[in-house]
Amino acid sequence: DSGVTQTPKHLITATGQRVTLRCSPRSGDLSVYWYQQSLDQGLQFLIQYYNGEERAKGNILERFSAQQFPDLHSELNLSSLELGDSALYFCASSVTDSTDTQYFGPGTRLTVL
Amino acid sequence: GQSLEQPSEVTAVEGAIVQINCTYQTSGFYGLSWYQQHDGGAPTFLSYNALDGLEETGRFSSFLSRSDSYGYLLLQELQMKDSASYFCAVRPPDTGRRALTFGSGTRLQVQP
Repeated sequence: DSGVTQTPKHLITATGQRVTLRCSPRSGDLSVYWYQQSLDQGLQFLIQYYNGEERAKGNILERFSAQQFPDLHSELNLSSLELGDSALYFCASSVTDSTDTQYFGPGTRLTVL
Repeated sequence: GQSLEQPSEVTAVEGAIVQINCTYQTSGFYGLSWYQQHDGGAPTFLSYNALDGLEETGRFSSFLSRSDSYGYLLLQELQMKDSASYFCAVRPPDTGRRALTFGSGTRLQVQP
């Protein structure tokens, strides 16, 4: 158990819908990262927040957005969902904003039908 | 862009030694890290090489050679529980060296 929690574990929705994934980092960690894992794209970085501020952006679609709240939990919002958005979405956390040692949550499996 | 290449699959028997290679075509990163992911699970940090050479952590060792753009993860005394996917990763400059870019992963199957 990494100490990072993610909800929900599974999410099934239809194309065109909007969903919100939630992540709580390990106690004391200020940085939160979102990654997407799919069979064809592998494990890809989406976006990072540190202490409430966006710090780095990866291959995140414009239909996706995220934020980190004052209590340091983070939410990833996915809208206008397409079949290709079906994937595992991981949240990771770390103490600093630039480290190779990141602690991953159990992930949210999103299925878009 | 960044590119980290790994073999897609490796098979070995219990008690053996296996080496998983990672070659990269990227620059400007600080070091090479390795993550393990069991089926249905989350990636878990294994090791990090900041400098060239060998780092040892129990049954696992990791090696980096910047001049050869190459690294590897060495797993000794293989156990069935080592069956998992293994990813090499770097933090490249295009994300301010903050986020990880992962290789495509190597699926290790340990057989009895």
